[in-house]
Amino acid sequence: QKEVEQDPGPLSVPEGAIVSLNCTYSNSAFQYFMWYRQYSRKGPELLMYTYSSGNKEDGRFTAQVDKSSKYISLFIRDSQPSDSATYLCAMKTTGTASKLTFGTGTRLQVTL
Amino acid sequence: GAVVSQHPSWVICKSGTSVKIECRSLDFQATTMFWYRQFPKQSLMLMATSNEGSKATYEQGVEKDKFLINHASLTLSTLTVTSAHPEDSSFYICSAPQGLQETQYFGPGTRLLVL
Repeated sequence: QKEVEQDPGPLSVPEGAIVSLNCTYSNSAFQYFMWYRQYSRKGPELLMYTYSSGNKEDGRFTAQVDKSSKYISLFIRDSQPSDSATYLCAMKTTGTASKLTFGTGTRLQVTL
Repeated sequence: GAVVSQHPSWVICKSGTSVKIECRSLDFQATTMFWYRQFPKQSLMLMATSNEGSKATYEQGVEKDKFLINHASLTLSTLTVTSAHPEDSSFYICSAPQGLQETQYFGPGTRLLVL
């Protein structure tokens, strides 16, 4: 079993839809949770960063962490074609410059 | 957010030659940087952790002599692919942690094609 599970998709939604992206994990030591967006042939771009359980909102993006269920989510409201990309969840434990553990990434396609 | 750059953005080389990729943190210092490799439609695979002033730490299965890492300063790490072969063709990405919570910021990546 992988430490972090993420549905690879592809996920296709119409413009304006609410998108829900999810990851589950098995390591209870993970304390920091991130979502990165990666466009084709580009490096990942940090979208959201959360510590421990709870919600965090930034514009059209909302990140949720439920440590009791070992489940994290990213919601995208009013999705746009420019949101079409691969979304990677990532996690790490506490500690100096601790390594990230990534999900496989979910490919999202927002259609007109 | 913090900015990390990579150079070159893409490179084509002949089999048997060596290629050096640079990773720079432009507006912050990084005592640690990470090097990843990514194949098409796959996630990032951590290759090694670059440590300023000391040896890099390699992940299991990554050949130290093939992928030479040097972290010469607090803003520069280099990855040299030695005696490159076609199977080394891939997308190489670096990242550097920044801030109290050491959020990792990624470079734009370097696409390597070995003929």
